[in-house]
Amino acid sequence: GQQLNQSPQSMFIQEGEDVSMNCTSSSIFNTWLWYKQDPGEGPVLLIALYKAGELTSNGRLTAQFGITRKDSFLNISASIPSDVGIYFCAGQLWGEKLTFGTGTRLTIIP
Amino acid sequence: EPEVTQTPSHQVTQMGQEVILRCVPISNHLYFYWYRQILGQKVEFLVSFYNNEISEKSEIFDDQFSVERPDGSNFTLKIRSTKLEDSAMYFCASSDLETQYFGPGTRLLVL
Repeated sequence: GQQLNQSPQSMFIQEGEDVSMNCTSSSIFNTWLWYKQDPGEGPVLLIALYKAGELTSNGRLTAQFGITRKDSFLNISASIPSDVGIYFCAGQLWGEKLTFGTGTRLTIIP
Repeated sequence: EPEVTQTPSHQVTQMGQEVILRCVPISNHLYFYWYRQILGQKVEFLVSFYNNEISEKSEIFDDQFSVERPDGSNFTLKIRSTKLEDSAMYFCASSDLETQYFGPGTRLLVL
């Protein structure tokens, strides 16, 4: 099946720092999505990308759909304590299942 | 804002027992999904459902699993005879074709 490689696996940063994470795939997707998951809760959608090359922002978050349709990145600027959690990328072919990345655990050091 | 809801939030069961996990998708969505997440691992696809039938299922979704949309609002996942390895968070999601929205999950513990 399709595999998504997400990196880094974990990040330890100080409040105020910028964060960057990315996902790569062996096959193309029509849609890339980024979700955040807090402990014991379901994934919450952050950003959805529908077109190759698309760059989309949601507040301090910016994500891009790679031009090859096989990769995506998520940037978080000026991190704050509530950014702590696990971030998952997910790829989707039109209307079909999501294939999730392995997650990036973000920890903010006080 | 409309959201996907799931019940129960937690379920503890004995190995071999049947469990039914319930979901109420977003009301105007037509595509429904179940995913599971074993503790500390990534979210894995189980099954997708459209037009009252399964449209795709993973290798995890064996004969012990079934899904049903018994009425216009509920979407259920049944595990016929639970195994220890079925312990996980189970997430329901619904979609308007473009974007999938997830429920809060049911934490299933099989003893």
